[in-house]
Amino acid sequence: DVKVTQSSRYLVKRTGEKVFLECVQDMDHENMFWYRQDPGLGLRLIYFSYDVKMKEKGDIPEGYSVSREKKERFSLILESASTNQTSMYLCASSLRTGGFAYGYTFGSGTRLTVV
Amino acid sequence: QKEVEQNSGPLSVPEGAIASLNCTYSDRVSQSFFWYRQYSGKSPELIMSIYSNGDKEDGRFTAQLNKASQYVSLLIRDSQPSDSATYLCAVNIGQAGTALIFGKGTTLSVSS
Repeated sequence: DVKVTQSSRYLVKRTGEKVFLECVQDMDHENMFWYRQDPGLGLRLIYFSYDVKMKEKGDIPEGYSVSREKKERFSLILESASTNQTSMYLCASSLRTGGFAYGYTFGSGTRLTVV
Repeated sequence: QKEVEQNSGPLSVPEGAIASLNCTYSDRVSQSFFWYRQYSGKSPELIMSIYSNGDKEDGRFTAQLNKASQYVSLLIRDSQPSDSATYLCAVNIGQAGTALIFGKGTTLSVSS
């Protein structure tokens, strides 16, 4: 069964900590994405990557960075966690095509609480 | 700012009825359109994709696309209580972009 695996389901961190959220996919997908989902705000794109070592900013990149050293792994880094980064974080992956987007496969999510 | 708009609901339908979910998008050059289903506490699951104007059917689900009106819809026939979930409309960013922008979702409740 093809999968996108997020390393932690629940995470509690302290304000100011550096936080790493890991995502691994086994589908050989080129594209990987990080979203956060908040009540009333929906899914918002943080960063995405269409190739190893490539990254693109989404709508809300402030306070975050990403790393993609291998095709199957895409990490989201909170440089200095703040309480307003408490959220559900969703990783997704998709195939890359020449002209159309493919649908995503999502991981099961990481619920991060910053205290 | 590119946007995808959905009525938040809740949309309530009796078991066996047709549920109709609607979505409008702002980026005229978008080419790829998706519907996701999200159960409470779970991550979104892809149920339909559509790329051309017209209808696309898959089992009890029909997606409809009208690019001129920038409108996408999802019909669920013979609705079941198990269809109760939040339905997210998603549209690609830009003409050939692979990143998606999501609507905030419509909550569907099917009563038995």
